[in-house]
Amino acid sequence: DQQVKQNSPSLSVQEGRISILNCDYTNSMFDYFLWYKKYPAEGPTFLISISSIKDKNEDGRFTVFLNKSAKHLSLHIVPSQPGDSAVYFCAALSGESNYQLIWGAGTKLIIKP
Amino acid sequence: GAGVSQSPSNKVTEKGKDVELRCDPISGHTALYWYRQSLGQGLEFLIYFQGNSAPDKSGLPSDRFSAERTGGSVSTLTIQRTQQEDSAVYLCATIAEPQGGEQFFGPGTRLTVL
Repeated sequence: DQQVKQNSPSLSVQEGRISILNCDYTNSMFDYFLWYKKYPAEGPTFLISISSIKDKNEDGRFTVFLNKSAKHLSLHIVPSQPGDSAVYFCAALSGESNYQLIWGAGTKLIIKP
Repeated sequence: GAGVSQSPSNKVTEKGKDVELRCDPISGHTALYWYRQSLGQGLEFLIYFQGNSAPDKSGLPSDRFSAERTGGSVSTLTIQRTQQEDSAVYLCATIAEPQGGEQFFGPGTRLTVL
């Protein structure tokens, strides 16, 4: 039973346009969400996070939106750059466990020049 | 080093053999995780170490898997009698703070069981 779902295995976006990566979750106890980025042959690196008390968090070209009623979050990258091509993982932390992240399967983002 | 390191980077083994994977955490990071990522899947939690507390082993898939962390630093993940379904990338991550802090990942060990 996947508690964190990234339904798009891959996404292709033109350079300079907006990339929108989506993530859905089922557990209402999740109260903190993170996005990680992973290049081939490297470990994931932290990108941005959001607490459930907020509905938006912005960091440069990256913005994460949280819709608690829909149990949905999205990562927006604008403008998209070739170096953004990577696999993006959504992860969630439950208030019941202060350390165990639940991960989505990832979305491979391809930025076309 | 400045980051989390893992060795070996690649390991090919025959079914039935034992393997040992190593993780060197960032100095001073108190908590350490092991994850497994199979092809096309998300990260699967295996085990969590925090200081001197008993590790959370709830994610270990079978008793063939074990892990230890010596002196609160280096950790080894051991898989006994490897099976083909054990083939995956094994990732180690550490955090500076025990509660939901940003996880810093090593590059992973790609294990292939023939």
